[in-house]
Amino acid sequence: DQQVKQNSPSLSVQEGRISILNCDYTNSMFDYFLWYKKYPAEGPTFLISISSIKDKNEDGRFTVFLNKSAKHLSLHIVPSQPGDSAVYFCAARGSSNTGKLIFGQGTTLQVKP
Amino acid sequence: EPEVTQTPSHQVTQMGQEVILRCVPISNHLYFYWYRQILGQKVEFLVSFYNNEISEKSEIFDDQFSVERPDGSNFTLKIRSTKLEDSAMYFCASRSGQTYGYTFGSGTRLTVV
Repeated sequence: DQQVKQNSPSLSVQEGRISILNCDYTNSMFDYFLWYKKYPAEGPTFLISISSIKDKNEDGRFTVFLNKSAKHLSLHIVPSQPGDSAVYFCAARGSSNTGKLIFGQGTTLQVKP
Repeated sequence: EPEVTQTPSHQVTQMGQEVILRCVPISNHLYFYWYRQILGQKVEFLVSFYNNEISEKSEIFDDQFSVERPDGSNFTLKIRSTKLEDSAMYFCASRSGQTYGYTFGSGTRLTVV
């Protein structure tokens, strides 16, 4: 089941620069997308989401962009901070009404001071 | 901030033994979930629970697995006869009916030996 894919297992950026994390999906029935951040030994923490009827959602340093025609979304973090170093998961809400989320494999972000 | 609480944080069990993983969701949430993450792999959906019954389950959630909400506050996942391949982090999550984003617990690391 590869409905949500994060093709970059890791990303390293300098503090203060932009981090761009990418996610692709295959199921056009997904109607809601979310980004979660995860530190070791903790559960995923919700960051930001976007409905499929929008193409951008911004919350402070975090912006999510959705390109429905390309079935692609991205998370931009500007400016990146060392505390942002974590694993970032993209997730899509399944087509059922249960709220099931389908996760990508995750991208490990390292922000260097 | 309200939290989802999971106990124990780490459980080691012998193959073939039964285990019960416990979760206390956020009190006014209505939807409850179990996910798991095998080391190095993606977070996978196991089961969703709403209105005191299972609303959806994955193919992983076979007859060895069961869930219960015995007293209106706890939400448990039982694995009847554990196998080596059940070793994973198990995450409980809950959400209100108002949003699509979940709150995850910190997880239980299950090690089957």
